[in-house]
Amino acid sequence: AQSVTQLDSQVPVFEEAPVELRCNYSSSVSVYLFWYVQYPNQGLQLLLKYLSGSTLVESINGFEAEFNKSQTSFHLRKPSVHISDTAEYFCAVRSNAGNMLTFGGGTRLMVKP
Amino acid sequence: DAGITQSPRHKVTETGTPVTLRCHQTENHRYMYWYRQDPGHGLRLIHYSYGVKDTDKGEVSDGYSVSRSKTEDFLLTLESATSSQTSVYFCAISRDSNNSPLHFGNGTRLTVT
Repeated sequence: AQSVTQLDSQVPVFEEAPVELRCNYSSSVSVYLFWYVQYPNQGLQLLLKYLSGSTLVESINGFEAEFNKSQTSFHLRKPSVHISDTAEYFCAVRSNAGNMLTFGGGTRLMVKP
Repeated sequence: DAGITQSPRHKVTETGTPVTLRCHQTENHRYMYWYRQDPGHGLRLIHYSYGVKDTDKGEVSDGYSVSRSKTEDFLLTLESATSSQTSVYFCAISRDSNNSPLHFGNGTRLTVT
């Protein structure tokens, strides 16, 4: 079985400040890792993913996440946030032996002017 | 956006009545999923399908059934709705089972009174 823990349910931050959204997972096998973003009244959209190779992955809108196998973490970071980044962010894990994508409880990022 | 349509977008129903939610895709993806989203729980998998007439249970399948008679349609049925099934339901699709990301519909908000 696999599980995902997002340590913060809400993260308030001022515009242009850096932010880190934390994600830890547990799994007995190798995993694929994902971050999804959900804007109000919409479905989830893929933000970035780690499948293999470089442990640092980036999105087109300035977010990055680093896969840390020893700490079983996949934290999401952005050096300078915008108001438009206000959304809920979900970390998810999928084992390389299964069909199921398991989600964390979500972190609501609130960017204030 | 991936071609995923969920219907209806909103529904209010009474306890004990049957309800069917529909997910329609135009991407010809093999895998289809039904998730429910509840505050603090993230998204939890209800059922998924890996082909026509091939389905399997997720982590919260009690009280739900599914059917997939065509590649493009995946139906979720609540045989006798209960208030605990008030939630937002998301359909998702993916090309394969492992490292392909999921693409989500815009959700169905179901209220059981």
